Amino acid sequence: AQKITQTQPGMFVQEKEAVTLDCTYDTSDPSYGLFWYKQPSSGEMIFLIYQGSYDQQNATEGRYSLNFQKARKSANLVISASQLGDSAMYFCAMSSRGNTGFQKLVFGTGTRLLVSP
Amino acid sequence: DTEVTQTPKHLVMGMTNKKSLKCEQHMGHRAMYWYKQKAKKPPELMFVYSYEKLSINESVPSRFSPECPNSSLLNLHLHALQPEDSALYLCASSTLTGGGPTSPFTGELFFGEGSRLTVL
Repeated sequence: AQKITQTQPGMFVQEKEAVTLDCTYDTSDPSYGLFWYKQPSSGEMIFLIYQGSYDQQNATEGRYSLNFQKARKSANLVISASQLGDSAMYFCAMSSRGNTGFQKLVFGTGTRLLVSP
Repeated sequence: DTEVTQTPKHLVMGMTNKKSLKCEQHMGHRAMYWYKQKAKKPPELMFVYSYEKLSINESVPSRFSPECPNSSLLNLHLHALQPEDSALYLCASSTLTGGGPTSPFTGELFFGEGSRLTVL
């Protein structure tokens, strides 16, 4: 069975500082995807960044980077130069592939990030 | 703006009512999903449709009835719900990724803004 663990219920960071949100996972599948989603209070799940299990390079998307350490089964999200609009709930998720190619996402419990001026 | 549209955004219903949640996407995705999210909890998968056929039902009570009338639409019919069914219901879509177990993994789920349901 797949499992995602986020051990930080809440994190605080000052504007313009960098912050790391932790995520560890467990799976026996050789092929999987790791995702980070942002959920503001409006409810929408906003895709931030993706890392495939066979990707050699760590994923980056603008101010977001994913620190993927396969041997340690960790996929931490790094947000550089935090902005007030980054205040939200952040979910780490792992995807396994279904028999017709759909993706079954399992989410961690989330980390609430608060960015202060 | 999200490319997955959910209606209504808010719904209040009694335990004897019948209502439906609707989800629409025009990205050509052939996989569509319903997730349920209780307050302060992560989303939990309810149903998966691929090629308009039900692929996964995560032991969801029969008072929730999904329907996928075509590749762009996904409905969730609600009947005789309980107050504990109050939650945010999220619809998502994705491409269907091919390949075997060791093939590269691509694609993400695109989520709608959700329908916030309150059952009285």
